[in-house]
Amino acid sequence: SQQGEEDPQALSIQEGENATMNCSYKTSINNLQWYRQNSGRGLVHLILIRSNEREKHSGRLRVTLDTSKKSSSLLITASRAADTASYFCATETGGGADGLTFGKGTHLIIQP
Amino acid sequence: GAGVSQSPSNKVTEKGKDVELRCDPISGHTALYWYRQSLGQGLEFLIYFQGNSAPDKSGLPSDRFSAERTGGSVSTLTIQRTQQEDSAVYLCASTQGWSNEKLFFGSGTQLSVL
Repeated sequence: SQQGEEDPQALSIQEGENATMNCSYKTSINNLQWYRQNSGRGLVHLILIRSNEREKHSGRLRVTLDTSKKSSSLLITASRAADTASYFCATETGGGADGLTFGKGTHLIIQP
Repeated sequence: GAGVSQSPSNKVTEKGKDVELRCDPISGHTALYWYRQSLGQGLEFLIYFQGNSAPDKSGLPSDRFSAERTGGSVSTLTIQRTQQEDSAVYLCASTQGWSNEKLFFGSGTQLSVL
């Protein structure tokens, strides 16, 4: 069953603007992770936020987590053409590998 | 090696043939995962290996799918009697420990069943 669900499914913005993607989930989690995928191939881990954390930063990335609303957001500031990719959230609920569930992703296009 | 290595990168096969996909994880990573991604979709969990423990096969879609991991390192995913619906990108990932945190992915194998 789908745990994480990203919103929007697709997003197109101008270079230099900020991009915000959201992830909603259904059950309690240990942590939530964001990954980037270029051209439909391997995913790259971006950032992890634990259930007891509310906000985390890494370079131009800012992640928030609201466990009461079961949602997370990923903000990419000052977007660049190279940020064009699909972004996935993955929720970790423990109990083995099936405790890590990926959403369907947000496809981000940065217009030069 | 520096990262997770998968081979082949592309595989075209005829319906009914068997295929083998290989994954070489990062040295020292005890956890190894196989996922399947159909066009425009998210990742579907297939199977998980943790060290020398028995694998978690809960995600395998049918008995045509099997996997093994020799010596706690290289893994092979085998699909027997391939069907057109098996066409997808097969992704392998590895990580340290038991935490399901910060997975390192290979570039995947694009499987096309004609």
